[in-house]
Amino acid sequence: QKEVEQDPGPLSVPEGAIVSLNCTYSNSAFQYFMWYRQYSRKGPELLMYTYSSGNKEDGRFTAQVDKSSKYISLFIRDSQPSDSATYLCAFNGAIQGAQKLVFGQGTRLTINP
Amino acid sequence: DSGVTQTPKHLITATGQRVTLRCSPRSGDLSVYWYQQSLDQGLQFLIQYYNGEERAKGNILERFSAQQFPDLHSELNLSSLELGDSALYFCASSSGAKNTDTQYFGPGTRLTVL
Repeated sequence: QKEVEQDPGPLSVPEGAIVSLNCTYSNSAFQYFMWYRQYSRKGPELLMYTYSSGNKEDGRFTAQVDKSSKYISLFIRDSQPSDSATYLCAFNGAIQGAQKLVFGQGTRLTINP
Repeated sequence: DSGVTQTPKHLITATGQRVTLRCSPRSGDLSVYWYQQSLDQGLQFLIQYYNGEERAKGNILERFSAQQFPDLHSELNLSSLELGDSALYFCASSSGAKNTDTQYFGPGTRLTVL
């Protein structure tokens, strides 16, 4: 079983729609949960970061974590064509002095004007 | 622009050869990370250096090695290259070594092995 499962898509929605992206994970040691956005031919950039169960909101983006179900989500409200990118979930265990991020496969998202 | 620079942008080489990828972290960052991104494996962590010392290792092949120099730039050396090593190689940096530090990614080096 893979440590992280993420549907690669592609996912195509009309502008203004609410987008839901999801990942499941199996490693109970993961304590930090992240979403990265990667535009074509660019490096990933951190979008959202959380370490507890519940919701975290930042503008049009909401990250949701359910540790009991080992499930994380990213919601994008009022989606814009500029949100078209690949979204990667990422996880980090609590290893003192080291970071070993484990990424999902990435979901390719297209917002159609 | 993340502030992390990587050279070269593109590299085309033949099987069996050796290449060196270079990364300069953001100003003030002490940690450097290397990742490999391929279509089938996704984005995979290779290795982390903190202030010149190796801190964490992922699924890095024995044919691959890295180092971080006193000026904090890092190099990833790939030897005895195989077709399957064709991928995007990203470098990231963070301020320290805490596992909560944000990693900032460079633009990547696209390696093609023919």
